Amino acid sequence: GDSVTQMEGPVTLSEEAFLTINCTYTATGYPSLFWYVQYPGEGLQLLLKATKADDKGSNKGFEATYRKETTSFHLEKGSVQVSDSAVYFCALSDQNDMRFGAGTRLTVKP
Amino acid sequence: GAGVSQSPSNKVTEKGKDVELRCDPISGHTALYWYRQSLGQGLEFLIYFQGNSAPDKSGLPSDRFSAERTGGSVSTLTIQRTQQEDSAVYLCASSSGRREQFFGPGTRLTVL
Repeated sequence: GDSVTQMEGPVTLSEEAFLTINCTYTATGYPSLFWYVQYPGEGLQLLLKATKADDKGSNKGFEATYRKETTSFHLEKGSVQVSDSAVYFCALSDQNDMRFGAGTRLTVKP
Repeated sequence: GAGVSQSPSNKVTEKGKDVELRCDPISGHTALYWYRQSLGQGLEFLIYFQGNSAPDKSGLPSDRFSAERTGGSVSTLTIQRTQQEDSAVYLCASSSGRREQFFGPGTRLTVL
């Protein structure tokens, strides 16, 4: 079945460092891909998405490109801030079903 | 524009009691999902409703767990004879087709 594998955490970075959180997927069809973020004490909210190969999703300085050839959707940000500290979930959606990765906890220190 | 709402926001119960958790999805969303998130863990899929189709119950951890969706809208997740390991945040989400899921704030369940 469809599945998502994302980089295990926790990840700790200093402010203004470059962030990459790896995500790869397995799917039989042509899924849409998502990154969700969960800030401390809050629910999940959509960060960005891409619906087809080579699409780039972006929001709040975060980017991820849908790479069909490598079945990946890695999350990147050029300069993280303390306020980016959260848990990040990669997900795919195909045929009305959604699969989430295990989540990666990011802590950004000043 | 109302989002997904869940109630109660917090529930403390004694071991062995039954609990009901409620989810009000976004109006018009045909799909509704329940997940469980234990402390520091990822999302565990529980059950999925899509329109009038039979629900996908493949994620329910035991027969103590059940869920209904009445009239294609509101959903109730019921946990019978609660155990301490049921303590978690229960998240509900709704979506329309293959679009992204919108999550509610969750219900934090504590079983003493």
